[in-house]
Amino acid sequence: NAGVTQTPKFRILKIGQSMTLQCTQDMNHNYMYWYRQDPGMGLKLIYYSVGAGITDKGEVPNGYNVSRSTTEDFPLRLELAAPSQTSVYFCASSYSKGDYEQYFGPGTRLTVT
Amino acid sequence: AQKITQTQPGMFVQEKEAVTLDCTYDTSDQSYGLFWYKQPSSGEMIFLIYQGSYDEQNATEGRYSLNFQKARKSANLVISASQLGDSAMYFCAMREFRGGYNNNDMRFGAGTRLTVKP
Repeated sequence: NAGVTQTPKFRILKIGQSMTLQCTQDMNHNYMYWYRQDPGMGLKLIYYSVGAGITDKGEVPNGYNVSRSTTEDFPLRLELAAPSQTSVYFCASSYSKGDYEQYFGPGTRLTVT
Repeated sequence: AQKITQTQPGMFVQEKEAVTLDCTYDTSDQSYGLFWYKQPSSGEMIFLIYQGSYDEQNATEGRYSLNFQKARKSANLVISASQLGDSAMYFCAMREFRGGYNNNDMRFGAGTRLTVKP
């Protein structure tokens, strides 16, 4: 199994550009998450999904959008990129909620200049 | 308000010795879970150990154990017999289960960078 995969691994955007970060998991997990990690900090939850067609905001959702049309995919959309969105983005999935561990993708390093 | 506090930005330990990484948390919920993750320099997040608030015994996973002191709201990670490969960032995280297990908002601490010296 590939687990959680993310593309691209690196990206540089100009201010005002848009892009989609892709995330796919092959573990048939219902729950999927997007986090951002700023330098020297822990992770902050952007959005999460509890199943296809269901998404909800996390701690820092502003400037982002998500969709979940399939169990496997959970893309994160950045509209009008800003320097404050320079960060490392992690996608994660879990079998269920509560005490189940989250499996993380390798991350996408995004720089907005 | 900061939910998870890791007061040690960096720690050093001699190879083969034990080390404790501190984590304190803030919650008014009775039901919650505590997690530790390892992040090597390659960047991926690796799950290490989990402790539920109602678990009476401290969690253990191989060389990792969690020193859970509920009254003090602390969940320190103990790594025994440190290895060079343990050098990494370590993050403590908490999920509050208010309203049942539907809450998916997991909060992370700022992390502790552990360096194992040969």
